[in-house]
Amino acid sequence: GAVVSQHPSWVICKSGTSVKIECRSLDFQATTMFWYRQFPKQSLMLMATSNEGSKATYEQGVEKDKFLINHASLTLSTLTVTSAHPEDSSFYICSARLAEGGDYEQYFGPGTRLTVT
Amino acid sequence: QKEVEQDPGPLSVPEGAIVSLNCTYSNSAFQYFMWYRQYSRKGPELLMYTYSSGNKEDGRFTAQVDKSSKYISLFIRDSQPSDSATYLCAMSKRNFNKFYFGSGTKLNVKP
Repeated sequence: GAVVSQHPSWVICKSGTSVKIECRSLDFQATTMFWYRQFPKQSLMLMATSNEGSKATYEQGVEKDKFLINHASLTLSTLTVTSAHPEDSSFYICSARLAEGGDYEQYFGPGTRLTVT
Repeated sequence: QKEVEQDPGPLSVPEGAIVSLNCTYSNSAFQYFMWYRQYSRKGPELLMYTYSSGNKEDGRFTAQVDKSSKYISLFIRDSQPSDSATYLCAMSKRNFNKFYFGSGTKLNVKP
């Protein structure tokens, strides 16, 4: 099946620093990747949608200058949390949509747990 | 009001029980309905996908959609301890530009 990886799986950083999270589709090409944020016992909240080669589309309330998304290839998207603060601590999950296949086929990565101290 | 409502549980059942998980929604534009299973500290895994009203069965899992009531269900027959996870419903409009997730129901199947 389609596999999506994320790196790192967990990261601890100090307040004010930046953190980059990678999302890769390992065995398929993904024209669209999604970035979600999940707080404990809460739903996945879509942060942004990224299409290969174009600027990401951010959801209302998500600061695009704080959460930088780059989708440089059909298999890689990155999320950079800039000047991280403790309130940015969360579980970040990416998903990738197959370039070919049903539109509902969205495969999720294992997530990255970010803790900002 | 959230667009998708889901009881967070937790729901605890004995092994072999039939489990019923439910979501309600408010937006009549939703056309596609998905159920995901998420184990602790893992990403969600697609279980079932249905379009519009009706039932869909896959092994021990049955997904049911009632658009008139804006209500969807996932039934798990002969539940197993390995089914213990958080179950998320998700739905999308026709364009699939965005998935709307429920908050997830945590299920615990006791041996």
